Amino acid sequence: GQQLNQSPQSMFIQEGEDVSMNCTSSSIFNTWLWYKQDPGEGPVLLIALYKAGELTSNGRLTAQFGITRKDSFLNISASIPSDVGIYFCAGRAGNMLTFGGGTRLMVKP
Amino acid sequence: DTEVTQTPKHLVMGMTNKKSLKCEQHMGHRAMYWYKQKAKKPPELMFVYSYEKLSINESVPSRFSPECPNSSLLNLHLHALQPEDSALYLCASSQGPGTYEQYFGPGTRLTVT
Repeated sequence: GQQLNQSPQSMFIQEGEDVSMNCTSSSIFNTWLWYKQDPGEGPVLLIALYKAGELTSNGRLTAQFGITRKDSFLNISASIPSDVGIYFCAGRAGNMLTFGGGTRLMVKP
Repeated sequence: DTEVTQTPKHLVMGMTNKKSLKCEQHMGHRAMYWYKQKAKKPPELMFVYSYEKLSINESVPSRFSPECPNSSLLNLHLHALQPEDSALYLCASSQGPGTYEQYFGPGTRLTVT
């Protein structure tokens, strides 16, 4: 089946730093979604991308849909302690989402 | 409002018990999903309901039985589960099947003893 490689697996950064994470695939996706999940909670949708090359922002978050449709990245600027959590990318092809393995973000105050 | 609700929040059950997980959304979404998530792993798709009909079953064991009584409700009936079935069970919904972003509920933490 389709595989999504998400990197890095974890990051430990200082408050105020910018963060970048990405997902790559061997397959083409029609939609890219980025979610954040806090411990014991469900994933919360952060950004949805629908077109190759699309760049979308949501506050301090910026995400891009790669031009080849096989990758996407998420940037977080000026990180704050509440950014802590696991970030998942998800690519849609057909009826189903394929999730990346997640990036665990830890922020040191 | 992009809220999906799930009950119960936590559930502990024995291997001989029968229990049900419930999910509800009032966004008018016509596709609903069940996912299973183990610790430190991404969600794994179990079932997809599209317009109240089961459209995808990802080879899930028969001890998990989904039900969609109406367009707002989704149940997951559990029977004779195994300890390895302990996980966070997530419900999600989307405006239509496959085309739109999925919104997740808070999940039910299931422990099988």
